[in-house]
Amino acid sequence: GDSVTQMEGPVTLSEEAFLTINCTYTATGYPSLFWYVQYPGEGLQLLLKATKADDKGSNKGFEATYRKETTSFHLEKGSVQVSDSAVYFCALLNTGFQKLVFGTGTRLLVSP
Amino acid sequence: DTEVTQTPKHLVMGMTNKKSLKCEQHMGHRAMYWYKQKAKKPPELMFVYSYEKLSINESVPSRFSPECPNSSLLNLHLHALQPEDSALYLCASSQAIGDGQETQYFGPGTRLLVL
Repeated sequence: GDSVTQMEGPVTLSEEAFLTINCTYTATGYPSLFWYVQYPGEGLQLLLKATKADDKGSNKGFEATYRKETTSFHLEKGSVQVSDSAVYFCALLNTGFQKLVFGTGTRLLVSP
Repeated sequence: DTEVTQTPKHLVMGMTNKKSLKCEQHMGHRAMYWYKQKAKKPPELMFVYSYEKLSINESVPSRFSPECPNSSLLNLHLHALQPEDSALYLCASSQAIGDGQETQYFGPGTRLLVL
């Protein structure tokens, strides 16, 4: 079945550091890929998405490129802020299915 | 507007109580979802409604009973819950096209504690 693998956390960075959170997937066909962010005590917010190979999703300084050849969708940000501290979930949605398949989540901690 | 609202924000209930969680969206979405999220885990799908009909039940115990009165509302009725049912319950909605490109938008969740 479909699956998503994320790097283990927590990821601890200083403010203004470069961020990469790795995400790889296993799926048949051509799934859509998503990054969701969950701030403490809140629900999930869509951060960005990509629906086909080589698409780049971007939002609030975060970017991720759908790489079919490496089955990856790594999340990057050039300069993190303390307010970016949250849990980040990578997820996929395959054609004909309504079930999001989530990775385990990666906690990001940014210190001043 | 991509807002999904949920009430209540917090709920404490005993094992013999009956309570309901409510979810509402006004984005014209025809698919609505219930997820359960335990601490430090990703959300787990419970139910999916498409065009007000139950399309997916992920083998959820019958003490959880979903209801979709209309295309904007989704309820989750709770009865005789167990302490292990304590979790964050998330509602989401999306278009219901079936092409794998639908984006699910989540509400803020209801944090449930069963005593």
